[in-house]
Amino acid sequence: NAGVTQTPKFQVLKTGQSMTLQCAQDMNHEYMSWYRQDPGMGLRLIHYSVGAGITDQGEVPNGYNVSRSTTEDFPLRLLSAAPSQTSVYFCASSYNGRSPLHFGNGTRLTVT
Amino acid sequence: AQTVTQSQPEMSVQEAETVTLSCTYDTSESDYYLFWYKQPPSRQMILVIRQEAYKQQNATENRFSVNFQKAAKSFSLKISDSQLGDAAMYFCAWGIQGAQKLVFGQGTRLTINP
Repeated sequence: NAGVTQTPKFQVLKTGQSMTLQCAQDMNHEYMSWYRQDPGMGLRLIHYSVGAGITDQGEVPNGYNVSRSTTEDFPLRLLSAAPSQTSVYFCASSYNGRSPLHFGNGTRLTVT
Repeated sequence: AQTVTQSQPEMSVQEAETVTLSCTYDTSESDYYLFWYKQPPSRQMILVIRQEAYKQQNATENRFSVNFQKAAKSFSLKISDSQLGDAAMYFCAWGIQGAQKLVFGQGTRLTINP
């Protein structure tokens, strides 16, 4: 039982490049979400999903796209990377709205 | 908008002693959840304890307990018999039932002195 798996662990991009951060969970959780962690600011919600085919924006959605075609996967797409997107990204999932979040181990992204 | 404030950027405590981390929040909702997460240097986010707002009894998990004051919108974490493995960043978080949209505080870095 792997839990929440994020890939890659580290990534360096040049400004303007695009990429996808992968997130997969094997716990049959309905809820999945993406957060970014910046120094001194805690974690902030980017996008979330309450089930396959349903996504919605969080606090800081600009510059990011998501889709949820399966229960297991919730990829985060950076369309045109900017230095302001340098951060640590966490994917999380939960069984339902009352359950606590299970977090992946994070992806450290640097945009130069 | 909901906000969560941790007013102590850093705290330190001697091993085996007790330490309390502070957290306040602002919301107009009546039904919500509060959490404390621990983040060690490995970067992993680990759930420490959870409190449901409708429950008056304070949550406890082994050496970890909370003081939940709903009227004051305060949610502090007490760690008893501190251990070296407790050293980490601690985040307070607030969430609405059924939405799973957590709002996090800025974090408190806890150091345990041997």
